[in-house]
Amino acid sequence: DTAVSQTPKYLVTQMGNDKSIKCEQNLGHDTMYWYKQDSKKFLKIMFSYNNKELIINETVPNRFSPKSPDKAHLNLHINSLELGDSAVYFCASSQPGQGVTPLHFGNGTRLTVT
Amino acid sequence: AQKVTQAQTEISVVEKEDVTLDCVYETRDTTYYLFWYKQPPSGELVFLIRRNSFDEQNEISGRYSWNFQKSTSSFNFTITASQVVDSAVYFCALRGQTSYDKVIFGPGTSLSVIP
Repeated sequence: DTAVSQTPKYLVTQMGNDKSIKCEQNLGHDTMYWYKQDSKKFLKIMFSYNNKELIINETVPNRFSPKSPDKAHLNLHINSLELGDSAVYFCASSQPGQGVTPLHFGNGTRLTVT
Repeated sequence: AQKVTQAQTEISVVEKEDVTLDCVYETRDTTYYLFWYKQPPSGELVFLIRRNSFDEQNEISGRYSWNFQKSTSSFNFTITASQVVDSAVYFCALRGQTSYDKVIFGPGTSLSVIP
């Protein structure tokens, strides 16, 4: 059973289009995240949701809009895609609290904007 | 502000050599958590270890060992008798004491193990 799954795995699209990436976790975690990994492999947090509530929003352009319909899902919608949005996007989940769990990552979505 | 530094951008070793990956962190929190992740060429991010700031015991897991030194704010990772399958990018990461604190990643060290 996949713990954190995100779709699609690859996404190729043209500038100006709108696209979505979906993420689901079956670990029962309360917190979910989106991270962006650029071409130099830097991993940068974009958003964090705890139980459907936005907790972290890291100065991301408002073309990026996360949506969490329930605590097991965190989707990422991107409007008016730009060349610079090309990257690998990782979804992750963890359980906050005293026994902080590590981040469990999905396998990533490679977004290519042409 | 919190920060993680991995000064080694790329390392190449010959198979069976030992290799140490350095990680230095900065935080003002008294309680924090440190992590190591592995990203093999296939691209997934694999959790390796978590260490709490109040537990300075070193840890060994098979060929992997971790040395946590609060005095120097370092959390180094050693692979003994490296193998080709160890070739990957390794990330050190830091999380502050607030439960919802973001996990900050270092820039990663790309390890190549040559047969």
